[in-house]
Amino acid sequence: KAGVTQTPRYLIKTRGQQVTLSCSPISGHRSVSWYQQTPGQGLQFLFEYFSETQRNKGNFPGRFSGRQFSNSRSEMNVSTLELGDSALYLCASSPQLTQQETQYFGPGTRLLVL
Amino acid sequence: GQQLNQSPQSMFIQEGEDVSMNCTSSSIFNTWLWYKQDPGEGPVLLIALYKAGELTSNGRLTAQFGITRKDSFLNISASIPSDVGIYFCAGPVWGKLIFGQGTELSVKP
Repeated sequence: KAGVTQTPRYLIKTRGQQVTLSCSPISGHRSVSWYQQTPGQGLQFLFEYFSETQRNKGNFPGRFSGRQFSNSRSEMNVSTLELGDSALYLCASSPQLTQQETQYFGPGTRLLVL
Repeated sequence: GQQLNQSPQSMFIQEGEDVSMNCTSSSIFNTWLWYKQDPGEGPVLLIALYKAGELTSNGRLTAQFGITRKDSFLNISASIPSDVGIYFCAGPVWGKLIFGQGTELSVKP
């Protein structure tokens, strides 16, 4: 069974631009969660999607948004990029909503904002 | 908001040594999770704990759910070079998973 895949793996953007990251969950998994990982703040929950609806949200500004498609694939978007948005963005999928112990993480997309 | 305080932040040990790390919170948790993250990869779940006092093993790894429900411990016995990585504790809070700051483990052959 293929794992969680994230594209692209690396990305360089400049301040003010916007970026879209993609996540394909494990086949059969219906929940997708997104996390931001930085050296200073560690791993922080962004949001969780299930059945194409955002079910839970972390404490991030509205510049961070996401969506989920009918095939459970998910995208997250960051608009008006700031230097502090440089981070590893991790996607995790699980079979059902809020099943953290059955959550599998992808390798992440490393975003550098210049 | 709730925070998980993980210690130590880093450890440098000799191959074969045992390792202990812990995670504490000011609030009660009903579930404790321990993850390992290798460079360039996402975290991988090592052990899940669901009951106060529970002791669970996964090979050379043993984790315990503290009696107070405010802490958890992870022990690695007889460390080997592939144990290198960052270890995180985590717990769910209102459906959101919060993580400790991680313990970076280095193993000298």
